[in-house]
Amino acid sequence: GNSVTQMEGPVTLSEEAFLTINCTYTATGYPSLFWYVQYPGEGLQLLLKATKADDKGSNKGFEATYRKETTSFHLEKGSVQVSDSAVYFCAPLSGGYNKLIFGAGTRLAVHP
Amino acid sequence: GAGVSQSPRYKVAKRGQDVALRCDPISGHVSLFWYQQALGQGPEFLTYFQNEAQLDKSGLPSDRFFAERPEGSVSTLKIQRTQQEDSAVYLCASSPGGGRVSKRSYEQYFGPGTRLTVT
Repeated sequence: GNSVTQMEGPVTLSEEAFLTINCTYTATGYPSLFWYVQYPGEGLQLLLKATKADDKGSNKGFEATYRKETTSFHLEKGSVQVSDSAVYFCAPLSGGYNKLIFGAGTRLAVHP
Repeated sequence: GAGVSQSPRYKVAKRGQDVALRCDPISGHVSLFWYQQALGQGPEFLTYFQNEAQLDKSGLPSDRFFAERPEGSVSTLKIQRTQQEDSAVYLCASSPGGGRVSKRSYEQYFGPGTRLTVT
């Protein structure tokens, strides 16, 4: 089945720094790929997605490109804010009934 | 519009008690998923419904776990004879489509979760 490996956290950055959170996956075929974010005390929110190779998903200044050749979907943001502090989850869809396979999550802490 | 709601938000159970966790999906969503999230971990799949049919229950950790969605809308996850290892956040998600309707139908929308603590 599909699996995912995420960069270990916590990641600690100063405001306006550049962010990269690495994500690689193993999969049968070419599944849709998602990044979810979990703010403190809140549920999971869909951040962005890509449904085929070379697609770039983007939202709120975050971007991730579906790289078929390296089976990666790294999350980037050019200038982080304190309000971006959260846990970020990379998740490919599994085949069959389309359950999400989550990584362990990467905690991001942004300081002023 | 209204999102996915779950109740209760917090539940404390003594070991051996039965619990029932409720999920109200987004109206009209065909697919409903349950996930379990242990502390500091990513969510793990438990079970999947398409309308009222439970099509995948491969993630349920034991036969003490039971889920239903009798009218294809609200779902209940029941845990019998709770154990300490059942302590986790239980997340419900719904998505618009079932099967291979379209890529957009794969987007899953999550509720806030129910935090279960077994003492």
